[in-house]
Amino acid sequence: NAGVTQTPKFQVLKTGQSMTLQCAQDMNHNSMYWYRQDPGMGLRLIYYSASEGTTDKGEVPNGYNVSRLNKREFSLRLESAAPSQTSVYFCASSAVVVAETQYFGPGTRLLVL
Amino acid sequence: QKEVEQNSGPLSVPEGAIASLNCTYSDRVSQSFFWYRQYSGKSPELIMSIYSNGDKEDGRFTAQLNKASQYVSLLIRDSQPSDSATYLCAVNRGNYGGSQGNLIFGKGTKLSVKP
Repeated sequence: NAGVTQTPKFQVLKTGQSMTLQCAQDMNHNSMYWYRQDPGMGLRLIYYSASEGTTDKGEVPNGYNVSRLNKREFSLRLESAAPSQTSVYFCASSAVVVAETQYFGPGTRLLVL
Repeated sequence: QKEVEQNSGPLSVPEGAIASLNCTYSDRVSQSFFWYRQYSGKSPELIMSIYSNGDKEDGRFTAQLNKASQYVSLLIRDSQPSDSATYLCAVNRGNYGGSQGNLIFGKGTKLSVKP
């Protein structure tokens, strides 16, 4: 039981390049989330998926797209990376959206030059 | 703007002392409250969850909730150097449109336990 896994662990991009961050969970959770964490800013929600087949914007969605591929997998895509997207990205999952604990993956450190 | 406020610290306590971490929130309809611990370079991990007014104890950790004052705290008894980490307070948005249930995180309090 691996919990929440993320790939890659670390990535360097040049401005304008695209990439997809992958997330998978094996806890049979319905809800999944993407956060970014920046120094002094805390965790901010980018997008979430309350259940398979649905996705919604969070607090900071601009510059990102997501896909809920199936119940297990939720990917985050940067179409044209910008230096402002340099951050640590965490994926999380929970059984349901409301009032449930979120479990976090190990994170992806992204550097955009 | 719905907010969760924490003192950024650092909070420094000697080994064996009680560490007290505080959090205030602005959304009166929030119903779920969580404390996460985050070691440097690692992901957040759940320490405690609390849903009702009062105290909830789990080992050396006690979470306290006062909804009237919109205040939640975490006490760590017999603090150990291994407790040195950043502690994140998280509060659900309550009945807030399409994002009902999503968590709002505070910026965290950095705790340092000195041997």
